[in-house]
Amino acid sequence: GEQVEQRPPHLSVREGDSAIIICTYTDSATAYFSWYKQEAGAGLQLLMSVLSNVDRKEEQGLTVLLNKKDKRLSLNLTAAHPGDSAVYFCAVSLHDSGYNKLTFGKGTVLLVSP
Amino acid sequence: DAGVTQTPRHEVAEKGQTIILKCEPVSGHNDLFWYRQTKIQGLELLSYFRSKSLMEDGGAFKDRFKAEMLNSSFSTLKIQPTEPKDSAVYLCASTPGHLYEQYFGPGTRLTVL
Repeated sequence: GEQVEQRPPHLSVREGDSAIIICTYTDSATAYFSWYKQEAGAGLQLLMSVLSNVDRKEEQGLTVLLNKKDKRLSLNLTAAHPGDSAVYFCAVSLHDSGYNKLTFGKGTVLLVSP
Repeated sequence: DAGVTQTPRHEVAEKGQTIILKCEPVSGHNDLFWYRQTKIQGLELLSYFRSKSLMEDGGAFKDRFKAEMLNSSFSTLKIQPTEPKDSAVYLCASTPGHLYEQYFGPGTRLTVL
């Protein structure tokens, strides 16, 4: 089945710096990609999602890049601030519905210090 | 709009007890998921319902875990009997149709002594 590796497991940056999180996946037919944020004591919050026909998507200080050749998905927080401190998860799936499921990365703990 | 709600937020059980966790999805969402979250295993899918029909029953979790969707606005997850290794955060999520865009509840933190 699909395997997702997420790195780094922990990331510390200063306020205003970039923070980059990378996921690699194994199945070249994977078609749906998402990033989630989890703050302490809360559930996961959807940040952005892209389909396989998109290479780059930017929204509100976040950039998602998809490199299908290398089977790599990345999330870039371009100017991190302390409120971005949380755990970030990537998630991928082959199909959008049916007998299918999201495969999640193990998460990246991001700490943004002032 | 109300998001996904889960109750209780915290549960403490003795080994061997039966516990029931509850979830109310976002109104109008057709798909509902139950996950278990631990630091070591990460997020593991327990159950997946589409329009109240069970699509995925979580394989390895079948013997003591049972999820039900009694109507489109309410789901339960029963663990019977509980074991200390079941200590985890249980998350419920729903989506109006896109598998990759799930809305999560705040979770129930279960501690089994």
